[in-house]
Amino acid sequence: KAGVTQTPRYLIKTRGQQVTLSCSPISGHRSVSWYQQTPGQGLQFLFEYFSETQRNKGNFPGRFSGRQFSNSRSEMNVSTLELGDSALYLCASSLEFPNPARELFFGEGSRLTVL
Amino acid sequence: AQKVTQAQTEISVVEKEDVTLDCVYETRDTTYYLFWYKQPPSGELVFLIRRNSFDEQNEISGRYSWNFQKSTSSFNFTITASQVVDSAVYFCALSGNDMRFGAGTRLTVKP
Repeated sequence: KAGVTQTPRYLIKTRGQQVTLSCSPISGHRSVSWYQQTPGQGLQFLFEYFSETQRNKGNFPGRFSGRQFSNSRSEMNVSTLELGDSALYLCASSLEFPNPARELFFGEGSRLTVL
Repeated sequence: AQKVTQAQTEISVVEKEDVTLDCVYETRDTTYYLFWYKQPPSGELVFLIRRNSFDEQNEISGRYSWNFQKSTSSFNFTITASQVVDSAVYFCALSGNDMRFGAGTRLTVKP
């Protein structure tokens, strides 16, 4: 069973540009969550999608957005990049929503560097 | 508001030492779940254990053990006889509407 796949794994952008990251969940999983990981802030919740609808959102500016497609694949977009957006962006999938007991399955992340 | 605190940023031990990673949480929910995840250098977090708020039994799995104490809002993780392969970042998490993670503890086990 294939795991969570994130693309691209590494990317470098400059300030002001935008970036789109992709996440393919485990087959059969319908929930996709996104997290930003930085050395200073740890893992911070961005948003979660289930059945193509955003169900929860963390405390991030509107420059951060996402969507989910009918096949459960998800993309997140960051516009007008800032230096502080440099981070590892992790995607996690799960079978159900809402279910606080659910286990999250993570991808290896997309490491974004903003110059 | 939900919050998870892992006060230990980094811990370094020598192989075969025992090590305890601390986790303190805050929540107003009466039903909640606590998790521990391990993040090896490859990046993806790997699930280790889940505990619900009604089950305070400690759990042991091989060299790993977990101590859940509701009275102190803590869910600590102990590795017995640590090994180099245990080197990773460990995250404690609290689940309600979404999963909130602590800042993580980087464990380095030296040979």
